[in-house]
Amino acid sequence: GAVVSQHPSWVICKSGTSVKIECRSLDFQATTMFWYRQFPKQSLMLMATSNEGSKATYEQGVEKDKFLINHASLTLSTLTVTSAHPEDSSFYICSARAPGGTYSNQPQHFGDGTRLSIL
Amino acid sequence: KQEVTQIPAALSVPEGENLVLNCSFTDSAIYNLQWFRQDPGKGLTSLLLIQSSQREQTSGRLNASLDKSSGRSTLYIAASQPGDSATYLCAVRNSGNTPLVFGKGTRLSVIA
Repeated sequence: GAVVSQHPSWVICKSGTSVKIECRSLDFQATTMFWYRQFPKQSLMLMATSNEGSKATYEQGVEKDKFLINHASLTLSTLTVTSAHPEDSSFYICSARAPGGTYSNQPQHFGDGTRLSIL
Repeated sequence: KQEVTQIPAALSVPEGENLVLNCSFTDSAIYNLQWFRQDPGKGLTSLLLIQSSQREQTSGRLNASLDKSSGRSTLYIAASQPGDSATYLCAVRNSGNTPLVFGKGTRLSVIA
């Protein structure tokens, strides 16, 4: 089945550091990837939709200059949390969907997530 | 704006019981609905995907139903086991290339 690999799985760093998270589709091409954030005991909240070769679309309330998204190829999207602060500590999960056929029929495949802890 | 609600928020049952998790959504014009399992601190495992034209999907001890007109879905787990303990998330997609919208999940504990 389709596999999405997310790296790193866990990051602990000091406040002010920028952190990059990678999301790769291993056995399929993903023209669209999604980035979600999940706080403890909360659901997944969509942050942005990443489209290969174009600018990401951010959800309301998500700072695009804070969360930089780059989708440079059909198999890789990156999320960079710039100048991270403790309130950015969260679980970040990426998701990708294989194109072709009817989009609605394609399930979203998820990475294992990245736990980000800012000290 | 689509909103997804899951009831109950938490559930604890003895091993062997059959159980039902509920999901409701405000906009019934969905393309599909997915049920996921999430273990603590982990990513998501897709359990079942139901297309808008379908009424149910089955996989092993799991059965998911969809009543699109009433905006409801249920996940039925038969003969529950301690290994079923996890958070179960319901998510819907409205149309085209839109992303999944998630509920807050139901935290299930199956006691041996």
